[in-house]
Amino acid sequence: SQTIHQWPATLVQPVGSPLSLECTVEGTSNPNLYWYRQAAGRGLQLLFYSVGIGQISSEVPQNLSASRPQDRQFILSSKKLLLSDSGFYLCAWTRQGATEAFFGQGTRLTVV
Amino acid sequence: ILNVEQSPQSLHVQEGDSTNFTCSFPSSNFYALHWYRWETAKSPEALFVMTLNGDEKKKGRISATLNTKEGYSYLYIKGSQPEDSATYLCAFYTGTASKLTFGTGTRLQVTL
Repeated sequence: SQTIHQWPATLVQPVGSPLSLECTVEGTSNPNLYWYRQAAGRGLQLLFYSVGIGQISSEVPQNLSASRPQDRQFILSSKKLLLSDSGFYLCAWTRQGATEAFFGQGTRLTVV
Repeated sequence: ILNVEQSPQSLHVQEGDSTNFTCSFPSSNFYALHWYRWETAKSPEALFVMTLNGDEKKKGRISATLNTKEGYSYLYIKGSQPEDSATYLCAFYTGTASKLTFGTGTRLQVTL
C-alpha cells in the first residue's frame, strides 16, 4: 500500500532562519507531488508541484523554493524565513492522471 | 493563477437539514474535479473524483454533480449529522499540466 510521510509536524523558527520540510512517498513510482499552504482563515494555496525528478512548477512568487532530488522525495525550502511564511503546510501526491490526492499529516510552521 | 471558487464560505445548519455547496472553476482545460472532506486535526480525504460532464456521484448521504460546460459542481448532503462537520474542498485538475488547484473551501458546522 502507498503511504506518505511528512516531517516535522510542528516547527517554530526565527525570522531570517532557513527552512527545510521533507515529504516522501512509499509504495508507488513516478507520482505527481504537491506542496500546499493553508494560511489562517484561507483554503489550500498551491505552492509547487512536480511531475518528475528535477521538474518543479512554481505557482506563486514567494520566499520559498522546492526540489525533487529523487522520484518520491519532495523538499520545501527557504533561505530566510519571513513572518508571512507562517502557516500550515501540506504535501500531497497523486498518480499520473486525474486520481485523488493523498495528503501527509502536515507541518505547522510558526515564524517568530 | 486558476480561480476555483467555493460558496458559501461557511454554513451552520441543524441536524437533519439538507444542504449544498457550490464550486465554480474554469470551463477550459478541464480534466477532473475533486471533492475532499477536511476534518480538524486530520488530512483532507477524497470524496469524489469526477471527470465527465453530467457526472453524478453518491456516497451514502453525500452526492455531487458536475457541469463542465458552465464550470460548476454541486455537493449535496442529505440529512446532515454532527459528524458531517468539516471543511469541504473542491479541486480542479488540469490534465495538461497535472496541476491540482483547490478552492477556498466551505466550512460546515452541524449542531444538534
